[in-house]
Parts: sequence; structure tokens; C-alpha cells
Amino acid sequence: QQQVKQSPQSLIVQKGGISIINCAYENTAFDYFPWYQQFPGKGPALLIAIRPDVSEKKEGRFTISFNKSAKQFSLHIMDSQPGDSATYFCAADINTGFQKLVFGTGTRLLVSP
Amino acid sequence: EPEVTQTPSHQVTQMGQEVILRCVPISNHLYFYWYRQILGQKVEFLVSFYNNEISEKSEIFDDQFSVERPDGSNFTLKIRSTKLEDSAMYFCASSEFTEAFFGQGTRLTVV
Repeated sequence: QQQVKQSPQSLIVQKGGISIINCAYENTAFDYFPWYQQFPGKGPALLIAIRPDVSEKKEGRFTISFNKSAKQFSLHIMDSQPGDSATYFCAADINTGFQKLVFGTGTRLLVSP
Repeated sequence: EPEVTQTPSHQVTQMGQEVILRCVPISNHLYFYWYRQILGQKVEFLVSFYNNEISEKSEIFDDQFSVERPDGSNFTLKIRSTKLEDSAMYFCASSEFTEAFFGQGTRLTVV
């Protein structure tokens, strides 16, 4: 019940295309859903996050769509660029003050020029 | 921009040896964490620390692990007797409330 399932495992998108990564969770107590971007040899960097009181959040080319009833959320990267090539992790947490993030298994995105 | 810094970036140690991984969290943050990532796998929560004590720990964080905030700026993870399976990338993170910020990690290799 503590798992967050992420798909696909890897994704190749052409420059300018839309990258879509999906996550699903079981624990209805989760109420904070961040996405992290990780480049090789670096730590995860917070990209964008959403809470279940909204169905969508957009920051620049990055959008989170959230479906509370389906217990699913997704990351959309519009106009994907080669610099977006990285591993993306979804995560979930119960807002207790401190963070005990449960991470998805990661999606390796490659944006071809 | 404030950041979480970790030292060393890479640590090689022999099985059975003790290692200490060091972190300097962002200065106004109240919560501190250690996560680890075995090569090619997902990031896993180890422990959270608040108000000078452990607030929660995972099953991975057994008696071989300990954390300490020895002064006002550093946060350390100690592994008393390293095992081969402890080889991983260890990430320190800190948060003020939500939004954890991660350091660049320490790659621990146990040989």
C-alpha cells in the first residue's frame, strides 16, 4: 500500500514532442505528490509538486495532472528539449510536517535532437 | 541559491569498517533526512530527524546505522560495520516544511 507505481521505465521523445510519465498510488492518506528530476551523478531536484485539492498544476513547460478518484497523477513535459533528458521520479508523502517520501521506480527520458 | 552539501562525494571502504557521511543542510531548515539509492533503483527513505531526535526510520535503518547533528550545521550518517549491500548513493535532504531539497549525494562503495 506504500508503493508508488511509475511507468514507463524509459521513454524516447523527439525534440518538441510531449513527454508523459504516469504514476499510481494506493494509500489514500498521501496528500503531497512531487516530481523530481535527476541527472547522472546528481541528487534528485524538485521539479513541481501538487496537492489533491487541485486537478492540475502548470509551471512553464511542466504540468502535473492529478486524478484523485483514480489515484493517479502524471507529468507532462511540453515542447521537450534535449536538456530535459534525465531520470524522473514521482513521489508521494503524507503531510505530517516532515517528509517521508515514497518514490516511484523512475523513468529515464531521452529527448532526441 | 541555498543548497544541501555532502562530503565526501565518493567513499570507498572495506567491509566491516565504519564510515561517516557528512551533510550540511540548508541553514533555516528544520527537518533533515537520509535517503539511499542503490545503483539503477529507486530512491529509498532511511531516516528523518527533527529537534535533535529521530522522528521516523525505515526498516533499512537498522542498528548498524545512526545519525547525529553534532553542531548547529552538520548532519551525519554513520554506518558502524559496512556490508557489501550498503554500497549505494546516499542522499542527505532537508526541508523547512514540505519540499525536501536533496544534496548531490555520496557514493559509498564497500569492497
